[in-house]
Amino acid sequence: DTGVSQDPRHKITKRGQNVTFRCDPISEHNRLYWYRQTLGQGPEFLTYFQNEAQLEKSRLLSDRFSAERPKGSFSTLEIQRTEQGDSAMYLCASSPTTGHGELFFGEGSRLTVL
Amino acid sequence: DAKTTQPNSMESNEEEPVHLPCNHSTISGTDYIHWYRQLPSQGPEYVIHGLTSNVNNRMASLAIAEDRKSSTLILHRATLRDAAVYYCILRDVTSGTYKYIFGTGTRLKVLA
Repeated sequence: DTGVSQDPRHKITKRGQNVTFRCDPISEHNRLYWYRQTLGQGPEFLTYFQNEAQLEKSRLLSDRFSAERPKGSFSTLEIQRTEQGDSAMYLCASSPTTGHGELFFGEGSRLTVL
Repeated sequence: DAKTTQPNSMESNEEEPVHLPCNHSTISGTDYIHWYRQLPSQGPEYVIHGLTSNVNNRMASLAIAEDRKSSTLILHRATLRDAAVYYCILRDVTSGTYKYIFGTGTRLKVLA
């Protein structure tokens, strides 16, 4: 399967703990995006990378959130000192730099903070 | 970012055509209209996009009003697998940003 993969698919943690999600994009895609989605809402943009450069961050991304894409391939999204309000689905997407920029999404990582 | 307005939900009978409307009265000349859909428990998937002319692909058709202030996604024969949330999104290719801003979309229910 050459789609976008995310790991873990589900994570349950206690408030105050740190969590890290990993995203492996489609191999030839230069752009990588993170979105967050809560129940009944559309995905909210968090950040995106072109290769290893983080080019845009949403104001939703508090200083407890950090994303990296060290070699321009896979990316990690870390949430420190989790809060119950962080409970959501975290979606990763990738896109090529050519064409119209169609996004290819993974199936998401669901976070539950107790 | 230019905004879109979609009905919260719609219903359709199986094997009938579905017309999903989207209003975007503040659209600019460089905004492309994109449609994505999200099946239950999955990430969104691309459906179709267009600028001015109507577009067709294997999944759907996109009809764009002449003034571009509205568009309609057409599923020619709805199946149960088309039950999903459909998002209409504007993206300005000249803005220097590549993010997509999703709204709450239209939840399509397909009745057997």
